[in-house]
Formats: sequence, C-alpha cells, structure tokens
Amino acid sequence: QKEVEQDPGPLSVPEGAIVSLNCTYSNSAFQYFMWYRQYSRKGPELLMYTYSSGNKEDGRFTAQVDKSSKYISLFIRDSQPSDSATYLCAMSVDNQGGKLIFGQGTELSVKP
Amino acid sequence: NAGVMQNPRHLVRRRGQEARLRCSPMKGHSHVYWYRQLPEEGLKFMVYLQKENIIDESGMPKERFSAEFPKEGPSILRIQQVVRGDSAAYFCASSPQGSGTGELFFGEGSRLTVL
Repeated sequence: QKEVEQDPGPLSVPEGAIVSLNCTYSNSAFQYFMWYRQYSRKGPELLMYTYSSGNKEDGRFTAQVDKSSKYISLFIRDSQPSDSATYLCAMSVDNQGGKLIFGQGTELSVKP
Repeated sequence: NAGVMQNPRHLVRRRGQEARLRCSPMKGHSHVYWYRQLPEEGLKFMVYLQKENIIDESGMPKERFSAEFPKEGPSILRIQQVVRGDSAAYFCASSPQGSGTGELFFGEGSRLTVL
C-alpha cells in the first residue's frame, strides 16, 4: 500500500464547474499538507499549504485536511481552462525538512 | 528574480555513460532537494543537501547515484553507468532554510533519456 493515494484521473470538467481533488494517506505522523500544480513539462508550483487539520482558502482554491480520516481535499471553484494541469498532493512529517511524500497526481482538464 | 535553475533541460545518454545534472537554487536559498519523477508515478524524494553537507540521502539508490552541493557553484546529481530505468525527470527544489513546512520551490526539471 502506498503511503499517499491519489486517483490519477484524468478528470475532465466544463468551464465554471467546481472541482474536487482528494488524497488519502496512511501515516498519522504527517503534519504538513500541500497541494502543488504542475503544468505539462514544467516543475511543480506550490498552490496551498496547510498545517494539521482544518480549512484554508485562497481565492478560488480551498484546501481541507481531516486528520481523523487521513483525508485531504482541494476544491477549485469557477474552474478555468487555465486550471488544466496535474495536481499533486504532498505531505511531510514535522522534522523531515523538505522530504515530501507526494501522491501520484490527478490530471485535470477544464473544457471551455 | 531567477527561480531554481536546472541544466541541462534534456539529456540523452547511452547505457553505461555518466549523467550530470546541475541545479542552482533560488537566491538566498541554502537548502537543496532532488526528486525523481518516473513515468506514471509521482515525485519521489532522493536527497536533501546544504552547502557541503548531505543531510538526508534516504531516497538515493545505493549504487551509481551521488549528489553534492559545494561551497561554490551549483548542486550536482551524478548518475554513473546509467541504465534504461534511470530515464526520468529529475527535479531540484530549494528552500531558504530547513523547511519543516514543505514549502519548496521547484525548477523545471532535467529530463534524462537513456538509450
């Protein structure tokens, strides 16, 4: 069993839709949870970062962490074609520095 | 305002040759991380370095792979005697300090193809 599970998709939605992306994990020691966005042939860029449980909102993006269920989500409201990319969840334990454990990534396509 | 710079962006090697990948961190960043992305897989941690020190190499294959971050110059990931299974995208990331928060800044990657 992988430490972090993420449905690879692909996921295709119409422009304006609400997108829900999810990851589950098995290591209860994870404290930091991130979502990265990766455009084709580019490096990942940090979208959202959350410490421990709770919600965090940034514009059209909302990240949720439920540590009791070992489940994290990223919601994208009013999705745009420019949101088409691969979304990677990532997690780390307190003292692991930049040693992130990534999910496989979900490929999202937003159709005009 | 340069980001993390990686070169070469694309590298082709024949089996048995050596590959050297270079990474210059963002200005002001002294911590460097290397990740590998195999086809259809997520990013996998390889190594974490500070200037002249290897902090965590738990993700590095035991043989043929080495990394350094000298006092002067870029960080280098070296793969000796490459095999076809080494074909992947290698990403470098940097942070301004030992990031317990996971906020890393990634380069655009070096794509290695082994023939």
